[in-house]
Amino acid sequence: QVQLQESGPGLVKPSETLSLTCTVSGVSITSYYWSWIRQPPGKGLEWIGNIYYSGTSNYNPSFQSRVTTSIDTSKNQFSLNLRSVTAADTAVYYCARGRFFDFWGQGTQVTVSS
Amino acid sequence: DIVMTQSPDSLAVSLGERATFSCKSSQSLLYNSNNKNYLAWYQQKPGQPPKLLVYWASTRESGVPDRFSGSGSGTDFSLTISSLQAEDVAVYYCQQYYTTPWTFGQGTQVEI
Repeated sequence: QVQLQESGPGLVKPSETLSLTCTVSGVSITSYYWSWIRQPPGKGLEWIGNIYYSGTSNYNPSFQSRVTTSIDTSKNQFSLNLRSVTAADTAVYYCARGRFFDFWGQGTQVTVSS
Repeated sequence: DIVMTQSPDSLAVSLGERATFSCKSSQSLLYNSNNKNYLAWYQQKPGQPPKLLVYWASTRESGVPDRFSGSGSGTDFSLTISSLQAEDVAVYYCQQYYTTPWTFGQGTQVEI
């Protein structure tokens, strides 16, 4: 079955870079769009950006200048880098598959604090 | 960006009763070339990732109980739970995937 698992530091200092990886199992990453979505505490869902296996990416303009996604087809993984983080970037970060998101990771809590 | 607006923000429904809530988009989600509405619905319970319920506005995801149904076209959509069960207490989100940035509504909290 398709599974996604986020991994990365749970604590990031202000002004530093948040880096997360999503490991996909049960399906090849060489199809579909793969997205990052976040949810601040007590708030709704916010799409950050996606990547296609070809390396083509789309980003939410709210993050455009700070975000980069990448993909490693040999490891069946894709990654998120979010630069210059502040406390407002504290959230649960999810990875998910598709344009409508049929498979999600369990989410990883990232706290931005010194 | 396409703005998605859900109403109401919260809804209390008795067990076994019908629950209907709305999602409106700031522009049409209907793609004329394939006559599909690029709209999905999700259910999120506390501490869990969202779960896909409906896509293409009215296609139920495999395994989703048939008491959940999506309808609407263009800019106005709704999700109906025909007979509310205790396990349906959750927040429900709509999402457009017509164009990036893909955007979500703010959510509707359904309570008993």
